Amino acid sequence: DSGVTQTPKHLITATGQRVTLRCSPRSGDLSVYWYQQSLDQGLQFLIQYYNGEERAKGNILERFSAQQFPDLHSELNLSSLELGDSALYFCASSSPGGADTQYFGPGTRLTVL
Amino acid sequence: GQSLEQPSEVTAVEGAIVQINCTYQTSGFYGLSWYQQHDGGAPTFLSYNGLDGLEETGRFSSFLSRSDSYGYLLLQELQMKDSASYFCAVRDGGSQGNLIFGKGTKLSVKP
Repeated sequence: DSGVTQTPKHLITATGQRVTLRCSPRSGDLSVYWYQQSLDQGLQFLIQYYNGEERAKGNILERFSAQQFPDLHSELNLSSLELGDSALYFCASSSPGGADTQYFGPGTRLTVL
Repeated sequence: GQSLEQPSEVTAVEGAIVQINCTYQTSGFYGLSWYQQHDGGAPTFLSYNGLDGLEETGRFSSFLSRSDSYGYLLLQELQMKDSASYFCAVRDGGSQGNLIFGKGTKLSVKP
């Protein structure tokens, strides 16, 4: 158990819909990262937050957005869903100065039908 | 940009030693990390090399040569539970800490 929690574990929805994935980092960690993992693309970085502020953006689609709240939990919002958005979405956290050691949550498996 | 190359698959037998290589190209280098991921599971941190040389953690060791932009993960006394995918990763030099991952090496341990 990494100490990072993610909900829900599984999500099945239809094209065009919107979903919200939730992540709580390990106690004391200020950084939250979101990654997408699909079979053909591997682990792809989406976005990073540090203590409530956006720090870095990867190949995140405009249909996707995220935020980190004052209690440090984070939400990833995916809208106008397409079949190709079906993937595992992982959240990870790291301690201040410890970006090279990231602790991953169990992931949310999103299936878009 | 950043890119990492590692073999896609490796097969070995129980009790053997296996080495998974990783070469990288980065625009700013902070160190090389290794993660393990079992099927259906989350990536789990294994080791980090910030400086040249060998880091040992139990049956696993990791090596880095910054001059060669090369590292490897060495797994000794292989066990069936070591069957998993192994990813090398580097920090994105232009950011605050997100990782760029290799495509992963799927290790199959046979009895």
